[in-house]
Amino acid sequence: ETGVTQSPTHLIKTRGQQVTLRCSSQSGHNTVSWYQQALGQGPQFIFQYYREEENGRGNFPPRFSGLQFPNYSSELNVNALELDDSALYLCASSLKGSGTQYFGPGTRLLVL
Amino acid sequence: SQELEQSPQSLIVQEGKNLTINCTSSKTLYGLYWYKQKYGEGLIFLMMLQKGGEEKSHEKITAKLDEKKQQSSLHITASQPSHAGIYLCGADIGQGAQKLVFGQGTRLTINP
Repeated sequence: ETGVTQSPTHLIKTRGQQVTLRCSSQSGHNTVSWYQQALGQGPQFIFQYYREEENGRGNFPPRFSGLQFPNYSSELNVNALELDDSALYLCASSLKGSGTQYFGPGTRLLVL
Repeated sequence: SQELEQSPQSLIVQEGKNLTINCTSSKTLYGLYWYKQKYGEGLIFLMMLQKGGEEKSHEKITAKLDEKKQQSSLHITASQPSHAGIYLCGADIGQGAQKLVFGQGTRLTINP
């Protein structure tokens, strides 16, 4: 186990709703990255947080937003959910500068 | 943008056989990561390669990065049922950004 935890494990929402996903990083890690993995695809980078600020963003619209807290845990918020947002959302923690990212078990989101 | 192509997309081998999965990049790789994923779960870190010609092994899994740092291979010797899963290569986009671009994954099935 990596020590990275995510909640909830599964979630069902309807189109237009908002969702918040949570991630607790591995002890000692100060950077959290979020990825979206559609069925049958590799994970796609959403954004990364370091020192409570966004430190890079992938090709995702502004309705995807995040936060990082002083204890390095993080939230991913998605507004105005669309059917295509149905995916496995993964967070990964790392130590800035060390490279290797360790992933949590993921949150599976289904948008109906 | 950097893209990773994995081959094959799926692989079925008989238990005990050797196998190789390839990962080819459109650009020079600054850091190449191999992960394993059980269906619908988080990613498990296997190995990281940085230097051209580098080779690393863990138990029966060996990963190599070619001299030009644009292709990596993952080789499993004497495959076991525990090796089944999805193997993903991920590339650091460079400049210590710690943001990974992933291939689409290779689904490995081991038949007894």
